[in-house]
Amino acid sequence: RKEVEQDPGPFNVPEGATVAFNCTYSNSASQSFFWYRQDCRKEPKLLMSVYSSGNEDGRFTAQLNRASQYISLLIRDSKLSDSATYLCVVPSYNTDKLIFGTGTRLQVFP
Amino acid sequence: DVKVTQSSRYLVKRTGEKVFLECVQDMDHENMFWYRQDPGLGLRLIYFSYDVKMKEKGDIPEGYSVSREKKERFSLILESASTNQTSMYLCASSAPGTLYEQYFGPGTRLTVT
Repeated sequence: RKEVEQDPGPFNVPEGATVAFNCTYSNSASQSFFWYRQDCRKEPKLLMSVYSSGNEDGRFTAQLNRASQYISLLIRDSKLSDSATYLCVVPSYNTDKLIFGTGTRLQVFP
Repeated sequence: DVKVTQSSRYLVKRTGEKVFLECVQDMDHENMFWYRQDPGLGLRLIYFSYDVKMKEKGDIPEGYSVSREKKERFSLILESASTNQTSMYLCASSAPGTLYEQYFGPGTRLTVT
């Protein structure tokens, strides 16, 4: 099983829709999780951190399900500007390295 | 504002050439990283550094070396470029204690022919 797995998408949604994607991880001891956003031909940027049950920032909500070992990212009221690839990131077990998922592509259309 | 810059956005080199990719950050960060990003494989860590003159191997260090002579600069070296090193190379930095909040440069698209 890969350390971090994501559905590559694309998720095509209309403006105003709510969309959610999941990310599964293999290391049950992981304590922290991150979502990075990467626009087309741009560098990744930290979007949100998830340390316990979840985190909310405006239209974005990240949740953690430890029992099933996945984290989710929910985007409400999607905007055209939300179109990007969302990378799920988990610290590697017992090291200081980050393990990046391959990303889920979101395309919001008018 | 946080800034990480990379010396080139696009680079084309021939097989066997020695290639230098430079990364500079202006945030006084201790930690610096080099990744490569390939379709379907995501970002993979090549090397990282916690301080000047320190370096640690990442997950795919073979064929690469690094240099960190100054805190703000972290160089990636391809000793003898090969076609399988064609990729997007991303540099990142982070402050001590915030290892997971990494700031990335714009990337260098390297093509080895």
